[in-house]
Amino acid sequence: KAGVTQTPRYLIKTRGQQVTLSCSPISGHRSVSWYQQTPGQGLQFLFEYFSETQRNKGNFPGRFSGRQFSNSRSEMNVSTLELGDSALYLCASSLGLGPRYGYTFGSGTRLTVV
Amino acid sequence: QQQVKQSPQSLIVQKGGISIINCAYENTAFDYFPWYQQFPGKGPALLIAIRPDVSEKKEGRFTISFNKSAKQFSLHIMDSQPGDSATYFCAATRTSGSRLTFGEGTQLTVNP
Repeated sequence: KAGVTQTPRYLIKTRGQQVTLSCSPISGHRSVSWYQQTPGQGLQFLFEYFSETQRNKGNFPGRFSGRQFSNSRSEMNVSTLELGDSALYLCASSLGLGPRYGYTFGSGTRLTVV
Repeated sequence: QQQVKQSPQSLIVQKGGISIINCAYENTAFDYFPWYQQFPGKGPALLIAIRPDVSEKKEGRFTISFNKSAKQFSLHIMDSQPGDSATYFCAATRTSGSRLTFGEGTQLTVNP
């Protein structure tokens, strides 16, 4: 079966711009989580969505937002991009809430802010 | 209270050797401890996980040891192979929650 699909794979943006990243979860999975991965900070939780509702949010500024659609696909948006937002953004999908369902990660979107 | 500390940052092992990666956590509310393996250009993939009601879990060449009183857990890779060369992350979470708190990662290189 198809895995977690993240688009685009690579993105270059200029400071001050905004960006939207997309995540299509595994068919039947209803939970989508987003993580930011950087060499300095490692993997950090951004937010989680389940049934179109944000269930959990990490310690990121309000410039980072997301949403989930009725088909479980999710998007995250970063406004007013800063150089420090350059990172690999990972999406993970799961059947339900909680680790007992397991998380499957996509290959990520590599965002570079110049 | 939410941190997970992982060591070493990098590890070089000969083929057939044992790779050992250690993690320590602070939040006693954590009750689920997974390990992830990440290859370049890919997202992390679940390797093995443990709950604090057991002290050890083994799956093939991979073993997790868990010390609840010390709030530490470790991953042992027996008979390490060049194909095991990857970055390994420990993580912790609550079974009632969902966010994973990751360690800093260990870059493992297994020389042939």
